[in-house]
Amino acid sequence: NAGVMQNPRHLVRRRGQEARLRCSPMKGHSHVYWYRQLPEEGLKFMVYLQKENIIDESGMPKERFSAEFPKEGPSILRIQQVVRGDSAAYFCASSPLGASSYEQYFGPGTRLTVT
Amino acid sequence: DQQVKQNSPSLSVQEGRISILNCDYTNSMFDYFLWYKKYPAEGPTFLISISSIKDKNEDGRFTVFLNKSAKHLSLHIVPSQPGDSAVYFCAASEGGSNYKLTFGKGTLLTVNP
Repeated sequence: NAGVMQNPRHLVRRRGQEARLRCSPMKGHSHVYWYRQLPEEGLKFMVYLQKENIIDESGMPKERFSAEFPKEGPSILRIQQVVRGDSAAYFCASSPLGASSYEQYFGPGTRLTVT
Repeated sequence: DQQVKQNSPSLSVQEGRISILNCDYTNSMFDYFLWYKKYPAEGPTFLISISSIKDKNEDGRFTVFLNKSAKHLSLHIVPSQPGDSAVYFCAASEGGSNYKLTFGKGTLLTVNP
């Protein structure tokens, strides 16, 4: 039973380029969450998605960031025109539909470095 | 404004002794609390959780205590093992249809053999 998968594990982008981070949730999970961790900080919520729907994007920066979870395929977090401050670890988590508890299961993360 | 606070950046204990990790929160709407463990270059791994209707939850060597009036929770690990060495994050959710987790900054636990 595969866990949450994220790719790439490491991504290097120059300032101004686009970064695309992918997340495949655990089998049977239909809720996907993205979090960002800056150095020496805890994880910060960015966005919560279900298939084809953004449920809560209150943690997403207003510009340059977008997320989707299409009917088929992985969830994508897209960062346009990256800046040095976007360098961080980005974690995806998933949980099952109708979860009565609030446990989320995390992937290994994508470490984005902007040069 | 940090809603979940872990005031000890690090903690060192001897193998076999008890490890106590603390967490305070300010948001009275938080209804569900979780502890995660994280090794370097890996994602957080769920450890144990507690609902606000309980004051204690136990799972093997791990016990979480919740004091709602003090807005404080703690994770006890006994006996501690060297493999427990990791960063431990406290997280909270408002519950209901709000699944968003708010995390503390973490405590680095080192268990010495």
